[in-house]
Amino acid sequence: DSGVTQTPKHLITATGQRVTLRCSPRSGDLSVYWYQQSLDQGLQFLIHYYNGEERAKGNILERFSAQQFPDLHSELNLSSLELGDSALYFCASSARGQVNTEAFFGQGTRLTVV
Amino acid sequence: DQQVKQNSPSLSVQEGRISILNCDYTNSMFDYFLWYKKYPAEGPTFLISISSIKDKNEDGRFTVFLNKSAKHLSLHIVPSQPGDSAVYFCAASAKNAGNMLTFGGGTRLMVKP
Repeated sequence: DSGVTQTPKHLITATGQRVTLRCSPRSGDLSVYWYQQSLDQGLQFLIHYYNGEERAKGNILERFSAQQFPDLHSELNLSSLELGDSALYFCASSARGQVNTEAFFGQGTRLTVV
Repeated sequence: DQQVKQNSPSLSVQEGRISILNCDYTNSMFDYFLWYKKYPAEGPTFLISISSIKDKNEDGRFTVFLNKSAKHLSLHIVPSQPGDSAVYFCAASAKNAGNMLTFGGGTRLMVKP
């Protein structure tokens, strides 16, 4: 158990809909990262938050947004969903603002868009 | 444009033998490299890392080698155990890119008893 909790584990929704994925980092970790893993692909970095502030953005679509709340949990919002958004979405957390060996991943949320 | 590539999607080895997983990168600004292991239905788990100032880092059965001139790194597992069967991801980061991790596509390792 990495200590990073993601909910829900599975999500099935229709095209055009909006969903929210939730991540609770390890206790004390200030950084939260979101990654997307499409079928047979590596993990693609989406966005990084540190102590409530956005620190870095990867290839995140404009239809996607994220935030980190004062209690340090984070939410990833995906809107106007398309079939191609079906993927595993991982959250990771680390204590420091920079990604290093101490990045711990959650179990992921499997999103299926039908 | 894949900056980190794992050209072997799968690898099968016999228990007790050496497993060698390879990774190539193109961005010369990468200065930190990591290997993550992923079991089905779980998130990736950190395994071992190496800084660009080193060419080797060892942790128990796991050793990572870095060849900067060839922009190549490899993970050696000796001896391989059935419990090592998983997908292994190579990742790299660069200080000037906010240290975000760029992952390779993964190699599925199967260790046969």
